[in-house]
Amino acid sequence: DSGVTQTPKHLITATGQRVTLRCSPRSGDLSVYWYQQSLDQGLQFLIHYYNGEERAKGNILERFSAQQFPDLHSELNLSSLELGDSALYFCASSSVSTGPGNTIYFGEGSWLTVV
Amino acid sequence: KNQVEQSPQSLIILEGKNCTLQCNYTVSPFSNLRWYKQDTGRGPVSLTIMTFSENTKSNGRYTATLDADTKQSSLHITASQLSDSASYICVVSVKGGSYIPTFGRGTSLIVHP
Repeated sequence: DSGVTQTPKHLITATGQRVTLRCSPRSGDLSVYWYQQSLDQGLQFLIHYYNGEERAKGNILERFSAQQFPDLHSELNLSSLELGDSALYFCASSSVSTGPGNTIYFGEGSWLTVV
Repeated sequence: KNQVEQSPQSLIILEGKNCTLQCNYTVSPFSNLRWYKQDTGRGPVSLTIMTFSENTKSNGRYTATLDADTKQSSLHITASQLSDSASYICVVSVKGGSYIPTFGRGTSLIVHP
């Protein structure tokens, strides 16, 4: 158990809908990262928040948004869902913002299926 | 364009044997290289983290090497166990204020008894 909690574990929704994925980082970790893993694309970095502020953006679509709240939990909002958004969405956390010394701990992921 | 290429794509070995996985990257400027182990349907777990100045890093039966000149890394698994069956992912990050990783597609390792 990495200490990173993600909910829901599984989600099935229809195209055009909006969903929110939730992440609770490890106790004390200030950084939260979101990733998408699909069969054809592999793991892709979406966005990084540190202590409530956005630090880096990766391949995140405009239909997707995220935020980190004062209690450090984070939410990833996916809207106008398309079939291609079906994937495993991971949240991860670390104690610091950047640098090689920060071990990043992944949650177990949220399986999203868009039908 | 920053890229991370891993080989082989898949590998089958017998329990107890050693194996080596490869990672070549074009990410620049280089900050660090990480190897992760990912069991099917689970989150990746960090194995090693190496910076530019580190050539070798070990974690139990896992040993990672880095040649920053040729931009190559390898992950050597010694005395493989059935539990080593997983996907091994190489991740390279750029140097700078922001953390932006580039992921390889992974090597799928199957260890047979």
